[in-house]
Amino acid sequence: DAGVIQSPRHEVTEMGQEVTLRCKPISGHNSLFWYRQTMMRGLELLIYFNNNVPIDDSGMPEDRFSAKMPNASFSTLKIQPSEPRDSAVYFCASSRDIQNTGELFFGEGSRLTVL
Amino acid sequence: AQKITQTQPGMFVQEKEAVTLDCTYDTSDPSYGLFWYKQPSSGEMIFLIYQGSYDQQNATEGRYSLNFQKARKSANLVISASQLGDSAMYFCLLQYNFNKFYFGSGTKLNVKP
Repeated sequence: DAGVIQSPRHEVTEMGQEVTLRCKPISGHNSLFWYRQTMMRGLELLIYFNNNVPIDDSGMPEDRFSAKMPNASFSTLKIQPSEPRDSAVYFCASSRDIQNTGELFFGEGSRLTVL
Repeated sequence: AQKITQTQPGMFVQEKEAVTLDCTYDTSDPSYGLFWYKQPSSGEMIFLIYQGSYDQQNATEGRYSLNFQKARKSANLVISASQLGDSAMYFCLLQYNFNKFYFGSGTKLNVKP
């Protein structure tokens, strides 16, 4: 079975540009998470969806960040406009039923560099 | 406050020896989960092992075992017979209330030949 698929793997863009990161969760998983990893702040949970509905977006840093999950097999994280401090690795993770199974599988991450 | 702590920023271990990576947590929720992930230099996050707060037995997965001491609120990862490929960052993750997650700051493990 395919794991969590993220794209792009690497993106370099200029400040002010719009960035869209994409995620395809594992089929059958009903929860999806977006994380950001930086040297300064470690791994941070940005937003969490359950059955395509955003449940907790308290980790989204500011209004420049938005996330959608139009269906069970696709999610996007958008940054508009991007800033150099947004440079980080963004991970998507999915879970079928985390409380009972302990499953939380990560994609390979999208490394974003904003110049 | 709910949080998770990894006190060892870096560790060295000789190949074929066992190593323990520390993780302590703080939660008042009776139902929670503890995860360990490995992040090699390539960057991906690899799931290693999971322990639920109600699990009676310590979790084991191959060379990985979790030393779960509930009263002490610790969930240390034990890697037996270390291999060179075990060199990586290791993160402890606390999950509670279904959608609350906290990552520790990580421990960088270096396995020496």
